[in-house]
Amino acid sequence: GAVVSQHPSRVICKSGTSVKIECRSLDFQATTMFWYRQFPKKSLMLMATSNEGSKATYEQGVEKDKFLINHASLTLSTLTVTSAHPEDSSFYICSVSEARNTDTQYFGPGTRLTVL
Amino acid sequence: RKEVEQDPGPFNVPEGATVAFNCTYSNSASQSFFWYRQDCRKEPKLLMSVYSSGNEDGRFTAQLNRASQYISLLIRDSKLSDSATYLCVVRNQGGKLIFGQGTELSVKP
Repeated sequence: GAVVSQHPSRVICKSGTSVKIECRSLDFQATTMFWYRQFPKKSLMLMATSNEGSKATYEQGVEKDKFLINHASLTLSTLTVTSAHPEDSSFYICSVSEARNTDTQYFGPGTRLTVL
Repeated sequence: RKEVEQDPGPFNVPEGATVAFNCTYSNSASQSFFWYRQDCRKEPKLLMSVYSSGNEDGRFTAQLNRASQYISLLIRDSKLSDSATYLCVVRNQGGKLIFGQGTELSVKP
């Protein structure tokens, strides 16, 4: 399967700051990347679908101005949580899929965000 | 109603036991079905896809009943290393993965 990395793996920040999370596809070109969020004991919830070179498609209820997604290359997508608040504390996970086989998603190791 | 529903557990079983998890989904147009495994504070990992004919991978057997919109996972001869949360996942007609809440399994010696 594909190798997907995320950076940082863990971040603690003060309320009001912005946090950038990187997702990299290390061994194939990912035309599509997905960003999920998971609260404790809850299911993964899709936040947005990121397509290389175009604007991300956000799920209902996800604020696009708060969660900025950039997918500038076929191997990198970034999620920026702007003006983070304690309620944004969560586990953020990205996944990638190949254009030729969208049936399989490969997940990154996740980023645990804690906003104080 | 949640699109994918699972009993959150926890299921506490002794080593060697057989354990079964169930899952129901609400969208009859769902196209693909999977079981993922998620260890504590880790990303989910694909365990197996689920087909209408049923499929087996070693100690794991998955079944899909499209008429009842029901998916199951059976684990035989449980190992300590099977302790994890098992996520029922459905791909909808838009290609998105919809995750269940997960069922927590704890296998004890």
